[in-house]
Amino acid sequence: QVQLQEAGPGLVKPSETLSLTCTVSGGSFNHYYWSWIRQPPGKGLEWIGYVYRGSTNYNPSLKSRVTISRDTSQNQFSLRVTSVTAADTAVYYCARVPGIAVAGAQYYFDNWGQGTLVIVSS
Amino acid sequence: EVVLTQSPATLSLSPGEGATLSCRASQNVANYLAWYQQKPGQGPRLLIYDASNRATGIPARFSGSGSGTDFTLTISSLEPEDFALYYCQQRSTWPLITFGQGTRLEIK
Repeated sequence: QVQLQEAGPGLVKPSETLSLTCTVSGGSFNHYYWSWIRQPPGKGLEWIGYVYRGSTNYNPSLKSRVTISRDTSQNQFSLRVTSVTAADTAVYYCARVPGIAVAGAQYYFDNWGQGTLVIVSS
Repeated sequence: EVVLTQSPATLSLSPGEGATLSCRASQNVANYLAWYQQKPGQGPRLLIYDASNRATGIPARFSGSGSGTDFTLTISSLEPEDFALYYCQQRSTWPLITFGQGTRLEIK
């Protein structure tokens, strides 16, 4: 059973960079889109972007400030959001999306981490 | 962007009753719709994908239906552990996926 675990600072100052890492255990890195999603307090879910075999794709609303990368040797992928403001305060989730080569729930989020709260405040 | 509108915002029911949750898309998403359950302090759990397919390990009391713009998640007989937040999500415009705003299922 695959497990995902987010890690990173819980408090970031305005204008600084938010950095999170997701460690994947119990599963392969291949054939999956490794994604980040966030949820501001009391609000809905927003897709941030993914990394897949070294290529990336981002939500246009965040594209200019977001970078997602992967380290397959460590079974990890990471999120960086630059120039953060209070609007970036949210619970950040990492999640796995099966691609076309995987049977089942292709292109849906079939496994999620438990999430980590990041507060942007001075 | 495809906007998903879920209704009702809150549904108050008792254990043993049946629940019907709705999700309406602003444009045709074919059958490319999923339902997730979220409990406090946890990430969402995939329940249904492609409108009507149960994900691995999901009990048979959960079922999904619909296509095009109107979708329904039905829980046939509520168990205490079913009271949670439910989201729909479309992937017809992958990778620009969107989520609904959620329906809270609470104990009456």
